[in-house]
Amino acid sequence: SQQGEEDPQALSIQEGENATMNCSYKTSINNLQWYRQNSGRGLVHLILIRSNEREKHSGRLRVTLDTSKKSSSLLITASRAADTASYFCASGSARQLTFGSGTQLTVLP
Amino acid sequence: DAGVTQSPTHLIKTRGQQVTLRCSPKSGHDTVSWYQQALGQGPQFIFQYYEEEERQRGNFPDRFSGHQFPNYSSELNVNALLLGESALYICASCGGGGTGGNQPQHFGDGTRLSIL
Repeated sequence: SQQGEEDPQALSIQEGENATMNCSYKTSINNLQWYRQNSGRGLVHLILIRSNEREKHSGRLRVTLDTSKKSSSLLITASRAADTASYFCASGSARQLTFGSGTQLTVLP
Repeated sequence: DAGVTQSPTHLIKTRGQQVTLRCSPKSGHDTVSWYQQALGQGPQFIFQYYEEEERQRGNFPDRFSGHQFPNYSSELNVNALLLGESALYICASCGGGGTGGNQPQHFGDGTRLSIL
């Protein structure tokens, strides 16, 4: 079973716009991670936010974490066609990661 | 520096057959995890190997088994394949025995298994 759910399931935007994806999880966490997956490929780690952090930036990525609501969001600013992919949040321990069901992002040129 | 590599990339089997998938972790990594990803879904954790032993297991039947070799590479074996087990099987690795809870995993591109 999935730990959490991403929202929306699918998102289509124009190049240059911002994309926001949300993730909810069920159990307490040490950290929450976001991964990206291009079609038919493996997952690529984007960013990790610890449970004692509220916001983290990496390039065009901004992640927020609200442990009281058990939710996180991923913002991609100034999107590009190359950002088209599926995005997953994941939580758990070093021994086991539990993924959400993902958001399929399509960035139109 | 090679990342996580998996073989084969694609495989077709029939129901009831057995399959072995292989994974070489990223250089310097000693912990290997396996995931099953059905089409349109997130990856589901199968198990993790460290020091040649299975140390964590997800909700998968005993037909799913694995092995880790002294060079840290790993195999996933599935017996008596079911039609519903057509999926992308992805291997991930990390270092430090995976004890660093804040250490991201590195994923291979997976093996696409189709069961007819």
